[in-house]
Amino acid sequence: SQTIHQWPATLVQPVGSPLSLECTVEGTSNPNLYWYRQAAGRGLQLLFYSVGIGQISSEVPQNLSASRPQDRQFILSSKKLLLSDSGFYLCAWSVSGTGTREQYFGPGTRLTVT
Amino acid sequence: SQQGEEDPQALSIQEGENATMNCSYKTSINNLQWYRQNSGRGLVHLILIRSNEREKHSGRLRVTLDTSKKSSSLLITASRAADTASYFCGRGSYIPTFGRGTSLIVHP
Repeated sequence: SQTIHQWPATLVQPVGSPLSLECTVEGTSNPNLYWYRQAAGRGLQLLFYSVGIGQISSEVPQNLSASRPQDRQFILSSKKLLLSDSGFYLCAWSVSGTGTREQYFGPGTRLTVT
Repeated sequence: SQQGEEDPQALSIQEGENATMNCSYKTSINNLQWYRQNSGRGLVHLILIRSNEREKHSGRLRVTLDTSKKSSSLLITASRAADTASYFCGRGSYIPTFGRGTSLIVHP
């Protein structure tokens, strides 16, 4: 069966510090991968998605970046965190291809920027 | 954007009652999905309804879709305290977009 992992589960970082969040998927090949952010009182905001290794699409211009160094690994990074980067970060995967795909979400990372 | 809104934003009911939440969208879609999120956790897929379907059931869940009104509803019958969670609809054909969700509290 497929599983998705995210780490760390929680993170407290000072403003201006770097960030690296990792997401890995097991039990499937060539998944579509997604990063979402959920800020307090707001909905899920799609940040990045990837349909393959090295293929990243950005939905929202900001100081975050994403990379997909391996088929089932998706990394969210920042060189300098802002207070507004605080939130709950969710990684998700879906079966590859176009058309409707059910998304499977990871447990999330709670990021607090102080 | 295919954004819309879920409403109400918050819903508080007693165990055993039915809970209805709604989802609106702005542009045509091929399908609509409903997800559930327990506090501090990831989203869990509940049900998908395609644009050519009007109603779908899964256990105590009933989803309707009215493409003429660009809206969908999720009905949870005979609610339980364990149904307490936030519910989101994912609109779209390729990558679903989500609103702020409906926060449901079911009191035992």
